[in-house]
Amino acid sequence: NAGVTQTPKFRVLKTGQSMTLLCAQDMNHEYMYWYRQDPGMGLRLIHYSVGEGTTAKGEVPDGYNVSRLKKQNFLLGLESAAPSQTSVYFCASNFRGGGADNEQFFGPGTRLTVL
Amino acid sequence: GENVEQHPSTLSVQEGDSAVIKCTYSDSASNYFPWYKQELGKGPQLIIDIRSNVGEKKDQRIAVTLNKTAKHFSLHITETQPEDSAVYFCAASRPGGGNKLTFGTGTQLKVEL
Repeated sequence: NAGVTQTPKFRVLKTGQSMTLLCAQDMNHEYMYWYRQDPGMGLRLIHYSVGEGTTAKGEVPDGYNVSRLKKQNFLLGLESAAPSQTSVYFCASNFRGGGADNEQFFGPGTRLTVL
Repeated sequence: GENVEQHPSTLSVQEGDSAVIKCTYSDSASNYFPWYKQELGKGPQLIIDIRSNVGEKKDQRIAVTLNKTAKHFSLHITETQPEDSAVYFCAASRPGGGNKLTFGTGTQLKVEL
């Protein structure tokens, strides 16, 4: 199993450009998440999904859109990139349910720079 | 919403010493408290977690303690080794709502030889 994979690993954008980050998981997880990580601020939740076809806003959703058309994929879109969106983006997935199934599995991250 | 504070932001210990990282949370409904380790250039990985019905949990050299009354929980690493050097994050989650985690700001642990 590959676990959680992210594409691309690195990207440089100019202000105003758009891009889509792809997250894929092969663990048949119901829940998926997008976080951004900035120095001194930990990981902050952007959007999440509790199942195919559903999405919800997290703590810092402005400037981002997401889609979950297939259970295994979760896409994060930036329609008009801004320098404030320079960050490392992590995708995570979670089986669903309480008990022992709360662990979130993280991908390797995408480092995005917006000039 | 939930707010998680983590201290210290950096911690340097000698190999073999113990390290302690502390977190506080604000939402009394939170009932799940994981700790993640992030090595350079990688995604965070769960190392230990604890639920609100348990006061302490141990796994070899690492342990987590939880004080629900004071709303704080701590990570203890004993007999530290150079491979323990990493960034550690605490987090908290409440029931329902997609198992969302609120993370602390991280602690950079450096284990010196």
